[in-house]
Amino acid sequence: GQQVMQIPQYQHVQEGEDFTTYCNSSTTLSNIQWYKQRPGGHPVFLIQLVKSGEVKKQKRLTFQFGEAKKNSSLHITATQTTDVGTYFCAGYSGGGADGLTFGKGTHLIIQP
Amino acid sequence: KAGVTQTPRYLIKTRGQQVTLSCSPISGHRSVSWYQQTPGQGLQFLFEYFSETQRNKGNFPGRFSGRQFSNSRSEMNVSTLELGDSALYLCASSLAGTEGYGYTFGSGTRLTVV
Repeated sequence: GQQVMQIPQYQHVQEGEDFTTYCNSSTTLSNIQWYKQRPGGHPVFLIQLVKSGEVKKQKRLTFQFGEAKKNSSLHITATQTTDVGTYFCAGYSGGGADGLTFGKGTHLIIQP
Repeated sequence: KAGVTQTPRYLIKTRGQQVTLSCSPISGHRSVSWYQQTPGQGLQFLFEYFSETQRNKGNFPGRFSGRQFSNSRSEMNVSTLELGDSALYLCASSLAGTEGYGYTFGSGTRLTVV
């Protein structure tokens, strides 16, 4: 079945540093979504990317979808303590039985 | 507007018992998906329902089942509980499912099997 790999598993940064998490799918995706889960909370939808090579920005967050639609990245500029949490990518290949497949997430830990 | 509501929030069951979890999606959302979240395996897809029909099913044993009612509310059932079924079960609703809309998750049901 479809697999979505995400790295790194954990990332420690100093407040103010940048952060990037990478996502790679075993199959071509029709869309990819990103979610954030705060400690003790539930995943919250951030954004969806659909087009090959698409780049979207939300304030300090930049999301990219690869040209082959098999990889994606999330980059946070100048991290703040409010960015703490686990960031998940989730991909859908379309037409299959796998549903929306989540990566295992990157835990972002920020040291003040 | 009200979010996705899952009941109960916490549940403790004994091995061998069965359990039913409930999910009320956002009004107007016709797609409901269920996920199992554990520290080791992350978020694993259980099944997705759309307009009362199971559209996708993950790689879980037949002990895990679900259904969706005409008002889009959904239930999932786990029979013959095992210790390994202890997890956070998350329900997510969407306007139309995986084709192009983000999911709104509920707060989950924390199931502990003893």
